[in-house]
Amino acid sequence: ETGVTQSPTHLIKTRGQQVTLRCSSQSGHNTVSWYQQALGQGPQFIFQYYREEENGRGNFPPRFSGLQFPNYSSELNVNALELDDSALYLCASSLLGTPLHFGNGTRLTVT
Amino acid sequence: SQQGEEDPQALSIQEGENATMNCSYKTSINNLQWYRQNSGRGLVHLILIRSNEREKHSGRLRVTLDTSKKSSSLLITASRAADTASYFCATDGSDYKLSFGAGTTVTVRA
Repeated sequence: ETGVTQSPTHLIKTRGQQVTLRCSSQSGHNTVSWYQQALGQGPQFIFQYYREEENGRGNFPPRFSGLQFPNYSSELNVNALELDDSALYLCASSLLGTPLHFGNGTRLTVT
Repeated sequence: SQQGEEDPQALSIQEGENATMNCSYKTSINNLQWYRQNSGRGLVHLILIRSNEREKHSGRLRVTLDTSKKSSSLLITASRAADTASYFCATDGSDYKLSFGAGTTVTVRA
């Protein structure tokens, strides 16, 4: 079975720009979650999508938005980038309520 | 804010020794999970313990859960160099969203 894949692996953006990160879920999974992990910290929950609908959101502003597609792939969009958005962004797929399968993340640097 | 807090923040042990790390959390949970992360890569699920379980084993891993103290421990026996990683506990309530702690960084010396 194919695992969770994320693209790109690394990205450098300028403050104020917009970015789209992509995730391909593991086959058979209907739920995707996105996490932000700052250096030296644990992952912080951004939001979760279940069957293409947002199924919960963490403490992140509306400029963080997402989509889940019928094939259960997903996007994370961040508008008006700030320096503090620099982090590792992790996508994880699962069946609802089961352990998460993580991709290797996208390292975003905002300058 | 993070639900779980791991202790210690960092741990350095000799190969073959046991490593123990603890996790405390604040609110009631459905289950508690432990994940491992190697140097800036994705997290890998290790073990899940349900709120009505007190102890669980998987290979060299042993997890305990004390819901009255809102705490859990992860024991890795006979550690190997490949166990060098960060370990995170994660809890979820009724909404299936996982809350992670800040992690324990384990270094296994050869």
